[in-house]
Amino acid sequence: DAEITQSPRHKITETGRQVTLACHQTWNHNNMFWYRQDLGHGLRLIHYSYGVQDTNKGEVSDGYSVSRSNTEDLPLTLESAASSQTSVYFCASSESRGEHNEQFFGPGTRLTVL
Amino acid sequence: SQELEQSPQSLIVQEGKNLTINCTSSKTLYGLYWYKQKYGEGLIFLMMLQKGGEEKSHEKITAKLDEKKQQSSLHITASQPSHAGIYLCGADGHYGQNFVFGPGTRLSVLP
Repeated sequence: DAEITQSPRHKITETGRQVTLACHQTWNHNNMFWYRQDLGHGLRLIHYSYGVQDTNKGEVSDGYSVSRSNTEDLPLTLESAASSQTSVYFCASSESRGEHNEQFFGPGTRLTVL
Repeated sequence: SQELEQSPQSLIVQEGKNLTINCTSSKTLYGLYWYKQKYGEGLIFLMMLQKGGEEKSHEKITAKLDEKKQQSSLHITASQPSHAGIYLCGADGHYGQNFVFGPGTRLSVLP
């Protein structure tokens, strides 16, 4: 069965370290998204991609970067982790741009920055 | 940019009771999605509404989109403990705009 996975599921790191969160989908979806979920803010879009080599900034992109070298993967990198980036991170994918398609979500990565 | 509000913020009901969660948009909705999130897990798609006045049902959950396409409601009939979780509405931005989510409604169902 097609799925979307995230790794690691839990991560503890220190301020200033570089961290990469992996997202892998086997739906063959063109669109992939990264969100963070925080109490009081709900889900906020960090970065998204509509296809290979395409990346776009979302609402809260500062301090994060993504790259899309293939269809299946969209890793999220925190260049220099900050305590404000402690959050739960969700990756999602959807089929096509410009059409109404639901997003399929991964199980989330809980990141703690000490 | 488009914003979504949800009400109530949280809800505690007795098993067997009916309940309604509302989602209101600051702009016309071109695609309204309802998701459910179990605590500590990812989001699960429930249903999508596109047309004004549209109504969809799945098991004991019914979602409606008003004629003006700015408000949606999610109604659960005869709630069960398995319905507990966070319900989020999400909306397609019109072409080129980002997908946005409401803040969520936390539902607890007491046995």
